[in-house]
Amino acid sequence: AAGVIQSPRHLIKEKRETATLKCYPIPRHDTVYWYQQGPGQDPQFLISFYEKMQSDKGSIPDRFSAQQFSDYHSELNMSSLELGDSALYFCASSLGQINEKLFFGSGTQLSVL
Amino acid sequence: GDSVTQMEGPVTLSEEAFLTINCTYTATGYPSLFWYVQYPGEGLQLLLKATKADDKGSNKGFEATYRKETTSFHLEKGSVQVSDSAVYFCALRPGYSSASKIIFGSGTRLSIRP
Repeated sequence: AAGVIQSPRHLIKEKRETATLKCYPIPRHDTVYWYQQGPGQDPQFLISFYEKMQSDKGSIPDRFSAQQFSDYHSELNMSSLELGDSALYFCASSLGQINEKLFFGSGTQLSVL
Repeated sequence: GDSVTQMEGPVTLSEEAFLTINCTYTATGYPSLFWYVQYPGEGLQLLLKATKADDKGSNKGFEATYRKETTSFHLEKGSVQVSDSAVYFCALRPGYSSASKIIFGSGTRLSIRP
């Protein structure tokens, strides 16, 4: 069965550069969530989208932006990268806005040097 | 704000041992509670859930009971297997109707020795 696909799996950037992470949800899933997990930390909720509209917002820095496209895939854009942005970024998808059965991707490991 | 606290790992047990991973939460209203599991190299997967007080979630031999009086949702399994080695995350969805996000604990790494 198709799962949540994230790309790239690994990304290395330097300070002040930009990065774009992509998430392809399970087919027919209309809700996408982004989480950030720093080394040894909890996954922290960043932002979610339902039917291409932002549905909830967490601790997402102003330097980051995200959107969900007409095919339901989502992109997380990160600018002016800082060392503290180094983390594992998870995307999850679900069918419907209030559905606890989230399916997670394997994550994108971002390293900022 | 809403939060989840779970016991720190790593937890190392022998096969067939009894497992408990403690989880407590802080939330307003009536959150839904979950346990997610992350196997090596994979994304998080929902293991079990409970949506109201005294509900018991169960799956693959794991159980957890939603205890509102102690604000707890401890994960238990009577006899663990090597294949249970993974990271386990306790989580909650806030009780207000517009909440779509899930808040995770810090995860507990479980290693099972043959």
